[in-house]
Amino acid sequence: ELKVEQNPLFLSMQEGKNYTIYCNYSTTSDRLYWYRQDPGKSLESLFVLLSNGAVKQEGRLMASLDTKARLSTLHITAAVHDLSATYFCAVTTNKLIFGTGTLLAVQP
Amino acid sequence: NAGVTQTPKFRVLKTGQSMTLLCAQDMNHEYMYWYRQDPGMGLRLIHYSVGEGTTAKGEVPDGYNVSRLKKQNFLLGLESAAPSQTSVYFCASNLQGSYNEQFFGPGTRLTVL
Repeated sequence: ELKVEQNPLFLSMQEGKNYTIYCNYSTTSDRLYWYRQDPGKSLESLFVLLSNGAVKQEGRLMASLDTKARLSTLHITAAVHDLSATYFCAVTTNKLIFGTGTLLAVQP
Repeated sequence: NAGVTQTPKFRVLKTGQSMTLLCAQDMNHEYMYWYRQDPGMGLRLIHYSVGEGTTAKGEVPDGYNVSRLKKQNFLLGLESAAPSQTSVYFCASNLQGSYNEQFFGPGTRLTVL
């Protein structure tokens, strides 16, 4: 059974700082998604990582995938308050399995 | 395009009542999904459909039924609501299976008293 674990579950960081969210998964998969969810809102797709070594960047967020280690990272550079949200990774087998999410709070 | 829409946005039920949640998509997607989101547990798949007239069980199907009579609509039914079904329900759709990005609806917040 595929399991997806994220850590940390909660992250409080100051504006301007850098940090990384980790997503580990238990069985082979070659496609990983990162989603963002604002409070009371739906999920917004951020990145789709398709292969080992894939790296994608959008603004202050950069995601990478290591399929051999079964690990994806979401790196935040010079955080700003607007990045405060819950971030989910999700991994495909024949279904999409979500991690528990990381609640990011960026403090001024 | 409206994308994925859900009706209703909020609902309060009493234990034992029944209701149907409607999901509609205008993107001509084959696959549709129903998830529930509970605090600290991420999203869990309830049921899904790979095309009109088909349905399949997901991770947590008990207490729910679904129907896909039209390609653009996916209905989630609760025959006898229980407090454990208090949750936020999200519908999603995509072109063809798990290897394509899923697009999510705005969610339905359901409370069962």
